[in-house]
Amino acid sequence: SQQGEEDPQALSIQEGENATMNCSYKTSINNLQWYRQNSGRGLVHLILIRSNEREKHSGRLRVTLDTSKKSSSLLITASRAADTASYFCATARPNRDDKIIFGKGTRLHILP
Amino acid sequence: GAVVSQHPSRVICKSGTSVKIECRSLDFQATTMFWYRQFPKKSLMLMATSNEGSKATYEQGVEKDKFLINHASLTLSTLTVTSAHPEDSSFYICSAPGTVGVSNQPQHFGDGTRLSIL
Repeated sequence: SQQGEEDPQALSIQEGENATMNCSYKTSINNLQWYRQNSGRGLVHLILIRSNEREKHSGRLRVTLDTSKKSSSLLITASRAADTASYFCATARPNRDDKIIFGKGTRLHILP
Repeated sequence: GAVVSQHPSRVICKSGTSVKIECRSLDFQATTMFWYRQFPKKSLMLMATSNEGSKATYEQGVEKDKFLINHASLTLSTLTVTSAHPEDSSFYICSAPGTVGVSNQPQHFGDGTRLSIL
């Protein structure tokens, strides 16, 4: 079953603008991960934020986590055409297995 | 970095054919691999957890006799779609955690297999 819900489902912005995607989840987590998927390809891991962290940065990416609200956001600054892709959040449960459950994803389209 | 290779990338075949998809970890060992199914513009649905040297663990609603999983070595898991029918047409993706013995870590994904059953 799916754990996360991304919001919005689809987003179109002009190149150079910032893109913000949100993710909400239902159960306790050990960490939350964001992935990118280009059309017809596998997923690429972007960033992992642990349940005891509130914010994390990686290049043009900024992820926040609010465990009290069971939500996370992914901000992509100064967007580029190559950022056009689907973005998924995925949550890992607080146990020892590696299983992660994906949200429904946000389809991001960067307009030239 | 860790690389997962999935083969074939695309399969088109007639109804009733059995199709085998391979997932290999190229530069690391994977005692666990995961198989997902993805419909167009939809999320990834976890089908099963492939365990090296033991039986796979299937998610609720996934037919184990339909989707046979074998994990015979530390670098190879296979998914066989038996007697495939048009409703089995989908995008199948495998993944593996990067480090044995470390839980709750990022996954490394194959590039997926697009299966089309005529």
